[in-house]
Amino acid sequence: KNQVEQSPQSLIILEGKNCTLQCNYTVSPFSNLRWYKQDTGRGPVSLTIMTFSENTKSNGRYTATLDADTKQSSLHITASQLSDSASYICVVSHTGGFKTIFGAGTRLFVKA
Amino acid sequence: DVKVTQSSRYLVKRTGEKVFLECVQDMDHENMFWYRQDPGLGLRLIYFSYDVKMKEKGDIPEGYSVSREKKERFSLILESASTNQTSMYLCASSTGTGDYEQYFGPGTRLTVT
Repeated sequence: KNQVEQSPQSLIILEGKNCTLQCNYTVSPFSNLRWYKQDTGRGPVSLTIMTFSENTKSNGRYTATLDADTKQSSLHITASQLSDSASYICVVSHTGGFKTIFGAGTRLFVKA
Repeated sequence: DVKVTQSSRYLVKRTGEKVFLECVQDMDHENMFWYRQDPGLGLRLIYFSYDVKMKEKGDIPEGYSVSREKKERFSLILESASTNQTSMYLCASSTGTGDYEQYFGPGTRLTVT
């Protein structure tokens, strides 16, 4: 069964600290993996996308990694800011990229 | 910038009412999607459409129908709203080629009482 599991469910960190969010998937055939950020009351917005051959992708203070062998991905946030408070959703695409499986998300709270 | 708009941000309806949720995208995308989002469950696909007048069931189509009469517009219909359909509804669109990145609307928070 195609599944995407994220951990932790929620996380509270102090402003300025780093954190890492995890995503494990059992999706086949794998096409790509995307991380989305969803601010409260808004729709998700794409942060990064990685295909099978890519093992790291950065977008500013966000760095995503992918290990296609172990089917794991992580999203590392450096020097967190209050505006990083949001839900982060891992999404894995299969069947040529058209079909997607969404993780339940990690809710990140950054406090001053 | 891609823009996906949804007709309402908040909606309150009574049990048994017929509910229409509208979604419009301005990027000439072929694919459009309707999801519902509930705490702890993530986004679940209700229906999607890959062309005008074409529709496919997603993972949880029961109690919903859709309509796509024009390429830019995708409507979700709750024929007879029930309290278990209280949720956040998100519309998305994507191209028919490339990496299929989905662009999301702001969501409609529907409460059925």
